[in-house]
Amino acid sequence: SQQGEEDPQALSIQEGENATMNCSYKTSINNLQWYRQNSGRGLVHLILIRSNEREKHSGRLRVTLDTSKKSSSLLITASRAADTASYFCATDSSYKLIFGSGTRLLVRP
Amino acid sequence: DAGVTQSPTHLIKTRGQQVTLRCSPKSGHDTVSWYQQALGQGPQFIFQYYEEEERQRGNFPDRFSGHQFPNYSSELNVNALLLGDSALYLCASSLGANTGELFFGEGSRLTVL
Repeated sequence: SQQGEEDPQALSIQEGENATMNCSYKTSINNLQWYRQNSGRGLVHLILIRSNEREKHSGRLRVTLDTSKKSSSLLITASRAADTASYFCATDSSYKLIFGSGTRLLVRP
Repeated sequence: DAGVTQSPTHLIKTRGQQVTLRCSPKSGHDTVSWYQQALGQGPQFIFQYYEEEERQRGNFPDRFSGHQFPNYSSELNVNALLLGDSALYLCASSLGANTGELFFGEGSRLTVL
C-alpha cells in the first residue's frame, strides 16, 4: 500500500511558469522527502523536510509541510523544459520509505 | 566516487524462470533497499538489508528473496517468474538505520514473457 498520494497525477505547464504538486499521507512521520525521476531512470533526491519544519527551500524548489493536515507541497518556480519528469513524495516508516504514485510534470518549451 | 550501480540494465525472461539482480551501493553506505516499480506507478518497497540481515520486508511473496554480502553489495532473486513481475527494479543505498536520503541506481528493467 502507498502512504503518500500526489495530486495532480499529471501537470502540463509552459516554460517559465510555476508548478505546484501536492502530497497527502496517512500516518505520523519523522520526515517527508521529494524525489524526481526522469523517464524510466533511477530516482534522484530533491529535498527532505522534517516533521518539525514547516517550509524549506533549495534553489528553485520550495517545500511546505503541514503535519496537522498530513500534507506537503512542492513548488518549482520558473520551470524549465529540463524539469519534465515524474515527482514522488516519500514518507518514512520503520526504516523504509514509502512512495506515492507520483505527479508527471510536462514543461512545454 | 561511484554511485549506486545495478546490473543487468535490461533482461527478458519467460514465466517460471528465475532471475538474479545485483546492486553495489554508494561508497561508504551499508544499507541496501530494493523497490519494484510497475509502469506508471510509484516504487513499492520489497525489502531492506543491513549488516547482511533482512531488516524490513514489504508485502511481497517468498518468491522474492535477497542477500547482502560483507562488502555491502546485494542481490535480489525472484523465483517462478510471473507476467506481473515485469517492472523496473530499483536498488537504493543509505547509511545506517536512519530514513534519510536514499541514493538510487538506474534500475534493472525486467520483462517477463
